Amino acid sequence: NAGVTQTPKFQVLKTGQSMTLQCAQDMNHEYMSWYRQDPGMGLRLIHYSVGAGITDQGEVPNGYNVSRSTTEDFPLRLLSAAPSQTSVYFCASSYGRVGRGPYEQYFGPGTRLTVT
Amino acid sequence: AQSVTQLGSHVSVSEGALVLLRCNYSSSVPPYLFWYVQYPNQGLQLLLKYTTGATLVKGINGFEAEFKKSETSFHLTKPSAHMSDAAEYFCAVSEFSGGYNKLIFGAGTRLAVHP
Repeated sequence: NAGVTQTPKFQVLKTGQSMTLQCAQDMNHEYMSWYRQDPGMGLRLIHYSVGAGITDQGEVPNGYNVSRSTTEDFPLRLLSAAPSQTSVYFCASSYGRVGRGPYEQYFGPGTRLTVT
Repeated sequence: AQSVTQLGSHVSVSEGALVLLRCNYSSSVPPYLFWYVQYPNQGLQLLLKYTTGATLVKGINGFEAEFKKSETSFHLTKPSAHMSDAAEYFCAVSEFSGGYNKLIFGAGTRLAVHP
């Protein structure tokens, strides 16, 4: 298993540009999520999905869009990049079935994004 | 809303010394608690988790953590530090919302190990 994969690893954007960060998992996990990591702030949840066709907002959703058309893929779209979106972005996945307690989240290697 | 506080953004220890990384949480319900480790330029990896039952939880690489409800703490320890333990460590609490167990992370503690 490749686990959780993310592309690209690095990206530089100009203010106002748009782009899509790709995330894929091959573990047949129901749940997927996107976080951003900023110094001194830990990881903050941007958007999450509990299954194909179902997404919801996390703590910091503004400026980002997601969709989940398949179980495997969960792309994150930046609509109009701003310098405040300079960050490291992590995708994560886990099994669902909440009633049996939270399952471990598996994280991808991250995408380092710089917006100038 | 639940929250996590990690005391000390940077901790430095000598190789072979005790590692103690502090984590306090706030939660209105019995919490699920996690410790993750992030090595340089990598994603996060689960070290250990507390759900229910035994309050002393053992994880990978010789780490363990003790859940203390009365102190709302979940401190991470390792008896003897190794150079390979140098990394950033995150404590997290699980919050159930919208049919999903969200992770609320602390700000992280960077551990340095010197010879």
